[in-house]
Amino acid sequence: SQQGEEDPQALSIQEGENATMNCSYKTSINNLQWYRQNSGRGLVHLILIRSNEREKHSGRLRVTLDTSKKSSSLLITASRAADTASYFCATDPNQAGTALIFGKGTTLSVSS
Amino acid sequence: DVKVTQSSRYLVKRTGEKVFLECVQDMDHENMFWYRQDPGLGLRLIYFSYDVKMKEKGDIPEGYSVSREKKERFSLILESASTNQTSMYLCASSSGQGKGVDYTFGSGTRLTVV
Repeated sequence: SQQGEEDPQALSIQEGENATMNCSYKTSINNLQWYRQNSGRGLVHLILIRSNEREKHSGRLRVTLDTSKKSSSLLITASRAADTASYFCATDPNQAGTALIFGKGTTLSVSS
Repeated sequence: DVKVTQSSRYLVKRTGEKVFLECVQDMDHENMFWYRQDPGLGLRLIYFSYDVKMKEKGDIPEGYSVSREKKERFSLILESASTNQTSMYLCASSSGQGKGVDYTFGSGTRLTVV
């Protein structure tokens, strides 16, 4: 049951530019999370936004959540080459006994 | 500072073999998860566990089983490996009841079945 769908699938930008990734989901959620994956490695948690929050910041990351549209966006400001990775949104369903449901990810390439 | 450890980074097994993928966490987390990751399909949940000796099927449990005899260890078992189980396998853990908390992932095991 794939819940989140990221858009775009791939994004190429120059260092210093901003990168925006979007995530849409289908069902009611407790929270939405964003993770990063460097090539061939495990995922690393970036930020969590709860269903009653609309925006959250962490360093160069800004996440928004619109529960009426069932969508979220992740903005990375002033991108660096080291931001090159795949980014996944994950939804925590509003349902007992469930696990995070991940989308297919956005591959970000930042060139210097 | 390693928190979730998967025993192998790369593994090559033959079709029909019984394969064990091991995952150990040192954070005293109650919840543990196994996902597989394939190009174009993202992460798909295989099995998860909210307590010792407890297991729940995820979205794609067929061909897999799990074992959780101790809190810190969650093993994924491929009963009879097949080529379509060639994939990256990711283990994760989280605390509490699994709500409102983030997951900590291991580095993954890339399994090739030949």
